[in-house]
Amino acid sequence: DAKTTQPTSMDCAEGRAANLPCNHSTISGNEYVYWYRQIHSQGPQYIIHGLKNNETNEMASLIITEDRKSSTLILPHATLRDTAVYYCIGQDSGGGADGLTFGKGTHLIIQP
Amino acid sequence: SAVISQKPSRDICQRGTSLTIQCQVDSQVTMMFWYRQQPGQSLTLIATANQGSEATYESGFVIDKFPISRPNLTFSTLTVSNMSPEDSSIYLCSVVGGSPFEAFFGQGTRLTVV
Repeated sequence: DAKTTQPTSMDCAEGRAANLPCNHSTISGNEYVYWYRQIHSQGPQYIIHGLKNNETNEMASLIITEDRKSSTLILPHATLRDTAVYYCIGQDSGGGADGLTFGKGTHLIIQP
Repeated sequence: SAVISQKPSRDICQRGTSLTIQCQVDSQVTMMFWYRQQPGQSLTLIATANQGSEATYESGFVIDKFPISRPNLTFSTLTVSNMSPEDSSIYLCSVVGGSPFEAFFGQGTRLTVV
């Protein structure tokens, strides 16, 4: 599994875009980038994943650099309910065979 | 998607006793995973439970301390044995649903050992 580095915490104003960076310079060619979040007192929730191309779903967008050494998760219009710890994970399976390796994550705080 | 129910949601236990945590999934799944989240920390994988075979434990976790049962494709239990205050954590069950890329988690069992 790729080692990932994320800022410990970030603030964002409600209604603005939250941009969460992740460094994964050791990621290998067959490893995906996954993002999960954990709202207080809940289990982690899948957000999005990608390999090379940028991805977008109803929750977020994932921008992966061309060299795949870093990525950014974008929450386009952050709300107070988006306050959570966000985990960036780099590995070659979605947790289906090996489980997931969680790093320390970024504590995102959405300010009213 | 998969819906996971964990029981109990929380418990306070005496040191030296054991607690069994149940995980029920609303669909059949091949593999189930158990994680531990110590206070203020991230999640750590304890073991992988396959139906019909012994669980596979990660480094630092042993079967005598965390025995796991997997009697069918929708159910698993994790027992925390001979508990000490250091076992105070949130224990979470997880499965992978229809998409191989999306894992689902239970709400967790918050265990406090006194």
